[in-house]
Amino acid sequence: NAGVMQNPRHLVRRRGQEARLRCSPMKGHSHVYWYRQLPEEGLKFMVYLQKENIIDESGMPKERFSAEFPKEGPSILRIQQVVRGDSAAYFCASSPNRVDYGYTFGSGTRLTVV
Amino acid sequence: GESVGLHLPTLSVQEGDNSIINCAYSNSASDYFIWYKQESGKGPQFIIDIRSNMDKRQGQRVTVLLNKTVKHLSLQIAATQPGDSAVYLCAENPSNFGNEKLTFGTGTRLTIIP
Repeated sequence: NAGVMQNPRHLVRRRGQEARLRCSPMKGHSHVYWYRQLPEEGLKFMVYLQKENIIDESGMPKERFSAEFPKEGPSILRIQQVVRGDSAAYFCASSPNRVDYGYTFGSGTRLTVV
Repeated sequence: GESVGLHLPTLSVQEGDNSIINCAYSNSASDYFIWYKQESGKGPQFIIDIRSNMDKRQGQRVTVLLNKTVKHLSLQIAATQPGDSAVYLCAENPSNFGNEKLTFGTGTRLTIIP
């Protein structure tokens, strides 16, 4: 049973480009969460999604960031017009139901904006 | 060896000794707590969790203690091994239904000295 799969593992973008980060949850998991980890900082919640629905996006920056979890396919975190401050590790987690039913993280995507 | 909250982010322990990592959480409404281990370049890996109706829970070589009175959480690792070297993250989740996000501390870096 594969774990939470994130790709790409490393992504380099120039300022102003778009970044697309993908997350395939564990089999049987219908809840997806995105977190961002800035250098020397803790993990910060960004968004919580279920299939075709955004449940909680209280941690998402108001501009340039969006997330989706379509009926088919992986969850996508999209960052438009990237800036240097977007450089971070982005982690996806999934769970089958609630957070206390097993919240498993992927290995992350490390975004570098040059 | 012992660390105190998030003000001492590094802890060095001799191999074979026990280690204690502490975490002060902020939300008195939190009722579910998790310890994660994060190795360099990897995502957080679940270690152990505890609910607020318990004050102690044991796993394999690890024990989590919860003191709700002072909002303090600790992780004890017995007979440390080189593979225990990592950053240890505490996380909390409040009890209100539908709030599935975890709030993380900055973490403590544990180094095991051979």
